[in-house]
Amino acid sequence: EDQVTQSPEALRLQEGESSSLNCSYTVSGLRGLFWYRQDPGKGPEFLFTLYSAGEEKEKERLKATLTKKESFLHITAPKPEDSATYLCAVRGDYKLSFGAGTTVTVRA
Amino acid sequence: GAGVSQSPRYKVAKRGQDVALRCDPISGHVSLFWYQQALGQGPEFLTYFQNEAQLDKSGLPSDRFFAERPEGSVSTLKIQRTQQEDSAVYLCASSPDRGSLPSGANVLTFGAGSRLTVL
Repeated sequence: EDQVTQSPEALRLQEGESSSLNCSYTVSGLRGLFWYRQDPGKGPEFLFTLYSAGEEKEKERLKATLTKKESFLHITAPKPEDSATYLCAVRGDYKLSFGAGTTVTVRA
Repeated sequence: GAGVSQSPRYKVAKRGQDVALRCDPISGHVSLFWYQQALGQGPEFLTYFQNEAQLDKSGLPSDRFFAERPEGSVSTLKIQRTQQEDSAVYLCASSPDRGSLPSGANVLTFGAGSRLTVL
């Protein structure tokens, strides 16, 4: 069974204070590692897909990286609008298996 | 439509009542998924449709849960004789491709969810 563990559960940052979120996974035959952002009362919003170890993707202040056992989401110089829950998920066959998420709060 | 639409957004049910949650996926999307998200947790897989065929219902918690997609577009998740433990947000997601393809385009787009509270 595919397993995804995210840490920390919560992260409080000062505006401009860079940090990283961790996603550890076990899956038989990775067909993609996904990062989603979820705001309160909304559904998850797609950020990135990574397929192979060493791959990196960037979007504004976010950068996702992938190794054979984990993925990191780096937030550089965050702003209050980056406050959200960040979900990591893996696809082994056709469905996504999600972690519990990391809730990021960025204070001005 | 422009996105995945779910209704109702909020539903309060008394224990023992039946509820039906509707999902309108993005037009033309082949794959449709239902997920259950408890407070403070990540989404948990419930069931998967490819067009009108329900290919996987292994995540449905009990035989009180039933899902259908009769014409390969709109889907309904039905919960019979609701229990307090059924309280959660039910998320619907769709993607353009068949789920088995490791395609870069095979990204799930989620709706805003239906929040079910069972009293």
